[in-house]
Amino acid sequence: AQSVTQLGSHVSVSEGALVLLRCNYSSSVPPYLFWYVQYPNQGLQLLLKYTSAATLVKGINGFEAEFKKSETSFHLTKPSAHMSDAAEYFCAVSETGRRALTFGSGTRLQVQP
Amino acid sequence: EAQVTQNPRYLITVTGKKLTVTCSQNMNHEYMSWYRQDPGLGLRQIYYSMNVEVTDKGDVPEGYKVSRKEKRNFPLILESPSPNQTSLYFCASSSSGLAGDTQYFGPGTRLTVL
Repeated sequence: AQSVTQLGSHVSVSEGALVLLRCNYSSSVPPYLFWYVQYPNQGLQLLLKYTSAATLVKGINGFEAEFKKSETSFHLTKPSAHMSDAAEYFCAVSETGRRALTFGSGTRLQVQP
Repeated sequence: EAQVTQNPRYLITVTGKKLTVTCSQNMNHEYMSWYRQDPGLGLRQIYYSMNVEVTDKGDVPEGYKVSRKEKRNFPLILESPSPNQTSLYFCASSSSGLAGDTQYFGPGTRLTVL
C-alpha cells in the first residue's frame, strides 16, 4: 500500500510570504493525489486533485500543486499567504483497487501578521 | 445544498455504553466511508460501503460496526466503546468509490470515551 509523507508537522509563515507545504508519496506508479484543508472545528475540504491531466494543478483560494514523478512529490504552494489560510493541510493518495484515501499526517500552517 | 451530515457533533460517553454516530449524504453517492483522525496519524479508514448492503473493512475496523440499509445513510456503531476509541470521526462519500473519485467529508464527530 501507498504511504504519504508530509515534511513538517508545523509550518509558520508571515502574511504575504510564500507558502510551501511538502508531500511525498511512495509508489512508483503515479496515483491520484489530493490536498485537503481542515479549518478549526470543520470537516475536510478539497483544495485540489491530480488525475494525470496536467502536472500543475490549480485549486481554490489561490493554491496550486505540481506533480513531479521523478521526485514522487506533490508539493502545495501559494504565492502570498493570507491570515485566513491558517489551517491544517492534508495530502492524500488513492490508488486503483484500494477503496480508501491514504492520508499524510498533516501540516498545520500558521500565518503571522 | 450538497452535503454530508453527521450527528452528534460532540459526544462524551463511558466505557461499554453502546453508541451510534449517524451519517447521511444527499448527493445520491454509491460509496460511503468512515475515518478516524488522531494527532500525528492523519485519517485512517475504519469501514466503507460500495452500495446498499455492501460493506467492507478498512484499515482499523476493530471495535466498530456499520450498516448500509439505505443509500443515503451509513451509521457507525460502537457496541462497547473503550478509551482508545476517543477520536475525531469523519464520514465521507463519493459517487463511485473508484480511485480518483473526490471524497466529500462531513463536519466530524468528536468522541470522548471515559
